[in-house]
Amino acid sequence: EAQVTQNPRYLITVTGKKLTVTCSQNMNHEYMSWYRQDPGLGLRQIYYSMNVEVTDKGDVPEGYKVSRKEKRNFPLILESPSPNQTSLYFCASRQRPGSWEQYFGPGTRLTVT
Amino acid sequence: AQTVTQSQPEMSVQEAETVTLSCTYDTSENNYYLFWYKQPPSRQMILVIRQEAYKQQNATENRFSVNFQKAAKSFSLKISDSQLGDTAMYFCAFMKHRVGGGSTLGRLYFGRGTQLTVWP
Repeated sequence: EAQVTQNPRYLITVTGKKLTVTCSQNMNHEYMSWYRQDPGLGLRQIYYSMNVEVTDKGDVPEGYKVSRKEKRNFPLILESPSPNQTSLYFCASRQRPGSWEQYFGPGTRLTVT
Repeated sequence: AQTVTQSQPEMSVQEAETVTLSCTYDTSENNYYLFWYKQPPSRQMILVIRQEAYKQQNATENRFSVNFQKAAKSFSLKISDSQLGDTAMYFCAFMKHRVGGGSTLGRLYFGRGTQLTVWP
């Protein structure tokens, strides 16, 4: 089954404690991205990756890091989480830049206290 | 830059009635996609319908249809025969579609969402 998986689905952590949210897709997609969803703001792109070792900033990259060492994985790293990073996070993937179909992961609810 | 505006934070409709959700967008692009996504309480992002900008015909998927007005940059979603399961947050989204289109090709730009409640 074609899917994008995220782990963990829920996470409560404290300010400053480094964490990683994993994202994996089994469709051999080139393009992957991370979004955060906040009430009243919709979804905003954090980072994206066009292929292995190729990543770039989206609209709200501050406080986040990413890496793309393998095609299937695109982890989101919060080196020193802060309460304003409390949000719902989605990973998404697409086959290639010209295609329209985007697959979303199930979301990760992160709370930083 | 691309912007997507949903001017209705909340809407409600009675079961079996018809409701229309509004969306406007701003872009200088000529080729793009427009989408409506549904997000039920499970938080899953579900694609409802898409429209290619080069197509004049409005997209339809069963009870869901759009009114795409390219010149006005308007993209509304009509839900006919509303069902309780349609209760969800609905997001309008824009994506560029241009061969060799640069770093922002493929990015989805979302509106802020419209919370739709269907009442029995």
